[in-house]
Amino acid sequence: EVQLVQSGAEVKKPGESLKISCRGSGYRFSNYWIGWVRQTPGKGLEWMGGIFPYDSDTRYSPSFEGQITISADKSSNTAFLQWSTLKASDSAMYYCARRSLDYSPLDYWGQGTLVAVSS
Amino acid sequence: DIQLTQSPSFLSASVGDRVTITCRASQGISSYLAWYQQKPGKAPKLLIYAASTLQSGVPSRFSGTGSGTEFTLRISSLQPEDSATYYCQQLNSNPHTFGQGTKLEIK
Repeated sequence: EVQLVQSGAEVKKPGESLKISCRGSGYRFSNYWIGWVRQTPGKGLEWMGGIFPYDSDTRYSPSFEGQITISADKSSNTAFLQWSTLKASDSAMYYCARRSLDYSPLDYWGQGTLVAVSS
Repeated sequence: DIQLTQSPSFLSASVGDRVTITCRASQGISSYLAWYQQKPGKAPKLLIYAASTLQSGVPSRFSGTGSGTEFTLRISSLQPEDSATYYCQQLNSNPHTFGQGTKLEIK
């Protein structure tokens, strides 16, 4: 059974750093893209970027490039989303999701990681 | 970025009704469009991809049509469990933008 399991909720202060994770199981992790999607009440779903763990090919949405870093560790079947300097506006639910090829949809999703950034 | 505009933003319908949600792209995206269903507190779930291909396990009352810039999601006979928010997503080019969502309420 394909599963994506994300790390737990986080409460952080502005200016702090954060790295959240997404562990895949039940499939060949290296051969599927992992994408990250932000969800906020005001802006709905936003595609942030993704990584192909096999060769670490990484693509970012222009809206998020420079603000986040996406990485993956093939040995642990885990993808990561990190911030070096959090802002209050980063408060959101973050989902990871799998897709197979270019033009393919997000077919399996993690359960989401809630990030709250507040002083 | 390619903009996706869904209509309507909110829809109220009765069990057994046929409902249609539209997604319009700001430029042509061939058939690289997916539809997702999201229920409160849950992750989105893939319903349809390549504009018209039903994801495995999704009830056949869901269907999708369209290509280029105009797409539709249809539910042929609405069921109580279809109460959710529906999103389209284009997969033609980076960034893979989503529509703003259509909230479907069952009367």
